[in-house]
Amino acid sequence: DAGVIQSPRHEVTEMGQEVTLRCKPISGHNSLFWYRQTMMRGLELLIYFNNNVPIDDSGMPEDRFSAKMPNASFSTLKIQPSEPRDSAVYFCASSREGLGTQYFGPGTRLLVL
Amino acid sequence: QQQVKQSPQSLIVQKGGIPIINCAYENTAFDYFPWYQQFPGKGPALLIAIRPDVSEKKEGRFTISFNKSAKQFSLHIMDSQPGDSATYFCAASRNAGKSTFGDGTTLTVKP
Repeated sequence: DAGVIQSPRHEVTEMGQEVTLRCKPISGHNSLFWYRQTMMRGLELLIYFNNNVPIDDSGMPEDRFSAKMPNASFSTLKIQPSEPRDSAVYFCASSREGLGTQYFGPGTRLLVL
Repeated sequence: QQQVKQSPQSLIVQKGGIPIINCAYENTAFDYFPWYQQFPGKGPALLIAIRPDVSEKKEGRFTISFNKSAKQFSLHIMDSQPGDSATYFCAASRNAGKSTFGDGTTLTVKP
């Protein structure tokens, strides 16, 4: 299996621009998680989906952030407009129903100037 | 109720030492306790996990000790090596749902 795939791996953008991060979970996994990692705040859960349905989005920092999962093999996290404080590493993870182990992707390192 | 408290924040040991990382939780409904290992520039990866029906689990040089009554669990790394230098996260989840992560421990193993 290829593991969780994220793109892009690095993104540099200017404040105010729209940023879209992409994730392809492991085939057969039906839960998908988006995390943000910074030195100051550690690993934060932003949102998670089960069977393509958002279950808990309480970690989404504000309305500038949105996430979608149109099908079992694809999810996006969008930031519009982006701000310098959004600079972080964003991870996508997936898991199989009934199992607690999450498999993380390599992350997208976002820098907003 | 959803917090997982992890300590210490950082740890330095000599090669061959036995670093111990501790975690405490509050929610007694948690039923799955994994540890993740993260190297710089990489995503966290499962290292070892335990369920509350056992008090200890060992995989190679890594051991989880679990104390259900105290609501605490810990990771021990036997004969630590420089290659074990990484950040370690404990986590807890219920019914295989979302995980609550500890703040992480940065381990440095000196040669």
